[in-house]
Amino acid sequence: DIQMTQSPSSLSASVGDRVTITCRASQDIRNDLGWFQQKPGKAPKRLIYGASSLQSGVPSRFSGSGSGTEFTLTISSLQAEDFATYYCLQFYSYPLTFGGGTKVDIK
Amino acid sequence: QVQLVESGGGVVQPGRSLRLSCVASGFTFSSYTMHWVRQAPGRGLEWVAVISYDGSSKSYADSVKGRFPISRDNSKNTLFLQMNNLRAEDTALYYCGRSNSWNYFDYWGQGTLVTVSS
Repeated sequence: DIQMTQSPSSLSASVGDRVTITCRASQDIRNDLGWFQQKPGKAPKRLIYGASSLQSGVPSRFSGSGSGTEFTLTISSLQAEDFATYYCLQFYSYPLTFGGGTKVDIK
Repeated sequence: QVQLVESGGGVVQPGRSLRLSCVASGFTFSSYTMHWVRQAPGRGLEWVAVISYDGSSKSYADSVKGRFPISRDNSKNTLFLQMNNLRAEDTALYYCGRSNSWNYFDYWGQGTLVTVSS
């Protein structure tokens, strides 16, 4: 099974900050990775697919990069509505595996 | 518009069974691979099972293999998860999601809550 190691597990940031979240895969997954945002009591929402493609309707301050085993989600200027938990997901092979999540809260 | 609506959750005793459903609308259900994903209270997301567009291929997480058969009825645009021999650690919110080729989980349902408790 492919392990997805996500870091940090939590972070505190202020509105306007640049935020970077990393996922590391235990083996090469090409660019078969997505990023999801989840707010309390809500279903996850896809932000990024194919490691770097922005989901339609998602603000351009969100971006994804990486391939192979190292992936990054960047929020260029954190907004109030971005405080949430973020997950990566590899879909290179079954079983699909999520990262452990990164909770972004207000400093 | 694409909609996925899960149902069938509830409170059940350990060792008992429950059947979850996910009704799809707004897209050609029979063209999509379908998945179940779960989230235990206060925990992260865990992929559970997948079934191919025609039901011919299935795969499971080790944690549910042999207990949670996945199935679908394309004539009714419905995905199922038969949950047998339930354990306390199966307590979670269960979501369904779709995929095809590179497109994974662009839509999610609202989830259905399963609580396993004596």
